[in-house]
Amino acid sequence: EVQLVESGGALVQPGGSLRLSCAASGFTFRSHWMHWVRQAPGKGLVWVARINSDGTTTKYADSVQGRFTVSRDNAKNTLYLQMTSLRSEDTAVYYCTRDSMTTVPTDYWGQGTLVSVSS
Amino acid sequence: SSELTQDPAVSVALGQTVTITCQGDSLRSYYANWFQQRPGQAPVLVMFAKNNRPSGIPDRFSGSSSGNTASLTVTGAQAEDEADYYCNSRDSSGDHVVFGGGTKLSVL
Repeated sequence: EVQLVESGGALVQPGGSLRLSCAASGFTFRSHWMHWVRQAPGKGLVWVARINSDGTTTKYADSVQGRFTVSRDNAKNTLYLQMTSLRSEDTAVYYCTRDSMTTVPTDYWGQGTLVSVSS
Repeated sequence: SSELTQDPAVSVALGQTVTITCQGDSLRSYYANWFQQRPGQAPVLVMFAKNNRPSGIPDRFSGSSSGNTASLTVTGAQAEDEADYYCNSRDSSGDHVVFGGGTKLSVL
């Protein structure tokens, strides 16, 4: 069974930093691209970033480019999202998702972790 | 703003049929996928690659697409189908992912 478990969400002040983690199991992690998707309170889903299988290529939404960094440790089956220069508009539940490597870029989702940016 | 367009809300009488649509240029190159999200829960994939249901998704859910428009149809809607529905696809470059703004389905 595919499982994705996010952690690391917290209340942080504007301008602060935070690192999210996503522990993956139940599939061959090193074979799949991975994505982060976020959802602000009461709002829709927004794609944030993705990383390829071996971690050599990353892509970001314009809203987080230069502030967020996605990475992975295939030996630990773990995905990360390093977030810096956080803003109030980054407040959201952050979901880790798996790319099917065929037609579905986000076929499995974790339960999400809440990041709140406020003073 | 979303690069895939969905109606914000639709309603259906219990047991009747409803269709939710998703429009966008990326759908000319990539399939739309559909997700159901109940309050307080993570999204769940309910339809992919035009008309394919993951294991465990009831067969009252079906999908179709033509040109830049994809559709998710619920035939014989049940109370438990009341939820937010989102479409997504890879963007036209294949590098990013785009989501629709979501459709709130109410079952009356």
